[in-house]
Amino acid sequence: EAGVTQSPTHLIKTRGQQATLRCSPISGHTSVYWYQQALGLGLQFLLWYDEGEERNRGNFPPRFSGRQFPNYSSELNVNALELEDSALYLCASSSVVGTPGANVLTFGAGSRLTVL
Amino acid sequence: AQSVAQPEDQVNVAEGNPLTVKCTYSVSGNPYLFWYVQYPNRGLQFLLKYITGDNLVKGSYGFEAEFNKSQTSFHLKKPSALVSDSALYFCAVRAYSGYALNFGKGTSLLVTP
Repeated sequence: EAGVTQSPTHLIKTRGQQATLRCSPISGHTSVYWYQQALGLGLQFLLWYDEGEERNRGNFPPRFSGRQFPNYSSELNVNALELEDSALYLCASSSVVGTPGANVLTFGAGSRLTVL
Repeated sequence: AQSVAQPEDQVNVAEGNPLTVKCTYSVSGNPYLFWYVQYPNRGLQFLLKYITGDNLVKGSYGFEAEFNKSQTSFHLKKPSALVSDSALYFCAVRAYSGYALNFGKGTSLLVTP
């Protein structure tokens, strides 16, 4: 069984540009979560999507946005990039809300975004 | 808000010795607690969880954790550390609404030969 896959592995952008990160969940998982792991700041929750809807959002500005597609894959978009957006962006998935597997998040390897 | 705290930035242990990585929690209601491990340049891997039941939870790779309600703690333990256990360990609690997790800052574990 394939795990959570993220692309690209690395992405370099300049200030003011836009970045798009992609995530494919484990087959059968309907929820996708996005986290930012910046140096010294730990893991910060960004967004939670389930069944195509945004269910919850962390304390990030609106220029962080995303969506979930009908096949449950997801995109994270970061507009007007700032230097402090440089981080490892982790995607996780979990199974159907309300089932025991929904409690366990399975993470991908991450996409490292560098903003110059 | 549901939160966890990891008081130690780094824990150093000699191989073969027992290890403990500390975590305390602050929640409203019953806590859903988790431990994850992150190896360099990798995503997080699930180790174990406490939702209900026995206070001693056994997980992957020989790790276990003890839920202590009176001390609001959920410490990760292993009886005999391996060099390959060296990694970054995160404690997490389920957020108040939904299934997202709130993570601690992480504790770097270094096991020396």
